[in-house]
Amino acid sequence: DAKTTQPPSMDCAEGRAANLPCNHSTISGNEYVYWYRQIHSQGPQYIIHGLKNNETNEMASLIITEDRKSSTLILPHATLRDTAVYYCIVSRTGANSKLTFGKGITLSVRP
Amino acid sequence: GAVVSQHPSRVICKSGTSVKIECRSLDFQATTMFWYRQFPKKSLMLMATSNEGSKATYEQGVEKDKFLINHASLTLSTLTVTSAHPEDSSFYICSVRRGLAGGNRNEQFFGPGTRLTVL
Repeated sequence: DAKTTQPPSMDCAEGRAANLPCNHSTISGNEYVYWYRQIHSQGPQYIIHGLKNNETNEMASLIITEDRKSSTLILPHATLRDTAVYYCIVSRTGANSKLTFGKGITLSVRP
Repeated sequence: GAVVSQHPSRVICKSGTSVKIECRSLDFQATTMFWYRQFPKKSLMLMATSNEGSKATYEQGVEKDKFLINHASLTLSTLTVTSAHPEDSSFYICSVRRGLAGGNRNEQFFGPGTRLTVL
């Protein structure tokens, strides 16, 4: 699976949009982009995933560039409870696929 | 998302004892479950892939005789840390993957984790 690169940390103000970047320049055509987050001392939580089209759900939006070499996770109105480590993961699908977690980006939402 | 439980949430044991951790998929049958380990301030490291009815597949560097995995049913996988030592103290997390059935999904749903402390 392709590797991803994320900044180590960022912060944003409560109520504002949080835009979390991810680079995956070696992504293959059959690899999806997944985002998970982990709040301190809890198991990771699935957020969203996409292949090439932008995706939106109740938690977030995922914007994937046309060349698929990077993506941005958008939390439209960040709250204090969104403070967590966010992991961008590139993975194939299929029975033998697995998720490889990098260091992620620590998002701190300030009041 | 799917509901995954782990038991116990915390366990403290003496060095040399064995500890069993249970992972249950509560709202769907999971043919594949995963076990991860996470040390403080580190990322999750995949330990093994647990397949119902067959032997688990271990990642490189993970001792299969030390970390015994049993996936006896479609809703339960267990991880037993045998002869635990202080260096095995960690946060152990399981996840389940919804059956793919020819689809294109690789969403995993994670349990709340088990904090193991070996004295």
